[in-house]
Amino acid sequence: DAGITQSPRHKVTETGTPVTLRCHQTENHRYMYWYRQDPGHGLRLIHYSYGVKDTDKGEVSDGYSVSRSKTEDFLLTLESATSSQTSVYFCAISAPPSAAGVDSYNEQFFGPGTRLTVL
Amino acid sequence: AQKVTQAQTEISVVEKEDVTLDCVYETRDTTYYLFWYKQPPSGELVFLIRRNSFDEQNEISGRYSWNFQKSTSSFNFTITASQVVDSAVYFCALFSSNTGKLIFGQGTTLQVKP
Repeated sequence: DAGITQSPRHKVTETGTPVTLRCHQTENHRYMYWYRQDPGHGLRLIHYSYGVKDTDKGEVSDGYSVSRSKTEDFLLTLESATSSQTSVYFCAISAPPSAAGVDSYNEQFFGPGTRLTVL
Repeated sequence: AQKVTQAQTEISVVEKEDVTLDCVYETRDTTYYLFWYKQPPSGELVFLIRRNSFDEQNEISGRYSWNFQKSTSSFNFTITASQVVDSAVYFCALFSSNTGKLIFGQGTTLQVKP
């Protein structure tokens, strides 16, 4: 199994409070991602990172920010949590495309998930 | 636009039946990758298979097989002789080389009854 941990695994918070979720990897992979999983939507990309201090927005980035100061850690912050952000959050990592001269992509490996409830 | 559609929300079968999970995708990319992931009741996401757009060979791994047809933009997943342990949510996903992002379908919940 890929070495990916997420903390906390469960959190209940109140509307308007800030929340930070942490993703930690021991694989030294450059690429890291944050997704949220909601019924009927599958997984949707929130933010991703292609390296230290190199981040970009996904399809559902409003209300979220991220930071990556070290290769192994990718933080997701909800500045002011809302009930619509109640979800299961998954972190993922992947290796960059191979350098073999052929366009390629490696599979993403996912962390165990964080269940966040905003009351 | 990139899109993945898993039209079957829930499927229920009896153990030992064969079951096929459908996946239809939309993309204008010439180079792309298709994936299947399994999410058992414990919640983790488990990678099952990756297929690139240039390789239409079907693949078999034990009781699992995948049928990739570019002509119909489909990447269907068949479980032969299903078992209770196959009960899970299965996600099909499309990676776009242009956007660098992985797009997931809505997922199909498979229940295998003893």
